[in-house]
Amino acid sequence: EVPLLAAGGGLVPPGGPLRLSCAASGFTFRSHAMNWVRQTPGKGLEWVSGISGSDGSTHYADSVKGRFIISRDNSKNTLYMQMNSLRAEDTAVYYCAKIGSGSFYHPFDHWGQGTLVTVSS
Amino acid sequence: QPVLTQSSSASASLGSSVKLTCSLSSGHSTYIIAWHQQQPGKAPRYLMKLEDSGSYNKGSGVPDRFSGSSSGADRYLTISNLQSEDEADYYCETWDSNTHVFGGGTRLTVL
Repeated sequence: EVPLLAAGGGLVPPGGPLRLSCAASGFTFRSHAMNWVRQTPGKGLEWVSGISGSDGSTHYADSVKGRFIISRDNSKNTLYMQMNSLRAEDTAVYYCAKIGSGSFYHPFDHWGQGTLVTVSS
Repeated sequence: QPVLTQSSSASASLGSSVKLTCSLSSGHSTYIIAWHQQQPGKAPRYLMKLEDSGSYNKGSGVPDRFSGSSSGADRYLTISNLQSEDEADYYCETWDSNTHVFGGGTRLTVL
């Protein structure tokens, strides 16, 4: 079992910030790349951002580049996503997803339960 | 970057088999993909990693009824002896220069 507990979602007005977290256990966190993937209600999956375990390099989808910042605290086994300048189209369930390697270039092999972000006035 | 194309829906009878397809875009026919299952109201679940050779590695606890195969730019997920709990959305995933990409998903209905 590899629990990935996402938290921090909620209702936020357009333009506002929100910080998501994902607490991990059951594996050597620092050795694995981690990602955020979102899903608009009733729609498909969209990769948002990833961070390597090996060198901490970060990657972003064009839709969030410059607004979202992914980070990790290996001492706390926790992944974060700082979301700024939120838009209505960012409304989605956000999943944290683990990669089975320190490198970004492998598939997601475990998923968290998701946290809902709603951007609305 | 690669584009993954999936049929939007599929259906098959309880106890039968179904083969879902994920097609890689031109120039990306050798890419490795992964298959994920998302049951209604749940988070996705990793099923397997599938290479262009047809070799696949399944995730922990994935039943033997699930298998993968490949032909050219097409990657397949075959589910044998369909069960009611197999009714779900199935997504393929791949990765390339600084990005991960998903197909649009196939909604499987078990009749």
